Amino acid sequence: DTGVSQDPRHKITKRGQNVTFRCDPISEHNRLYWYRQTLGQGPEFLTYFQNEAQLEKSRLLSDRFSAERPKGSFSTLEIQRTEQGDSAMYLCASSPGQSYSPLHFGNGTRLTVT
Amino acid sequence: AQKITQTQPGMFVQEKEAVTLDCTYDTSDQSYGLFWYKQPSSGEMIFLIYQGSYDEQNATEGRYSLNFQKARKSANLVISASQLGDSAMYFCAMRDLANTGGFKTIFGAGTRLFVKA
Repeated sequence: DTGVSQDPRHKITKRGQNVTFRCDPISEHNRLYWYRQTLGQGPEFLTYFQNEAQLEKSRLLSDRFSAERPKGSFSTLEIQRTEQGDSAMYLCASSPGQSYSPLHFGNGTRLTVT
Repeated sequence: AQKITQTQPGMFVQEKEAVTLDCTYDTSDQSYGLFWYKQPSSGEMIFLIYQGSYDEQNATEGRYSLNFQKARKSANLVISASQLGDSAMYFCAMRDLANTGGFKTIFGAGTRLFVKA
């Protein structure tokens, strides 16, 4: 169990640019989640995959956000035309198939949009 | 819709004393799970304890116990014998177990705990 890995740890970008984040889940976990966390707040659900299928997407996720999980392994989260309001910590988590299993989080990618 | 409420933005506790962090939830689901996570200043989210809605016994994990009162829809975290290393943000979270909610986990706004020496 090598843990959930996220890359990069930090990203600074200018408004209007596109950014892409990567998440490598724990290898035997078939569920993968993306969350956004702003300072002093709890994680906010963005989207969820079971294997390669994206099963749920938050209404808060605008069409500038897209996520993929090709082949059910790593996942990418892309934000197009970034805005200052996108500045946050983006957390990835994975879990095995049991519904009662806790989430295992990565250390997150901190995005700063200038 | 599911909702988690943590009404204590910050709490102070003296080292070696017990502290209770409040959590209330709202759901129409009959089968759900409740989780507590710890987030130290370093940022990683650490799972602490789990309680299923049909579990009759309150969950315990070492110094952590979950005071589950189903009728009141509360799931308070009790930390016994607080240590300086317990200073962190604590998040209560909930997941629908019957798949009607898609297995997503929703989080409260958190409580910041400060342990005083």
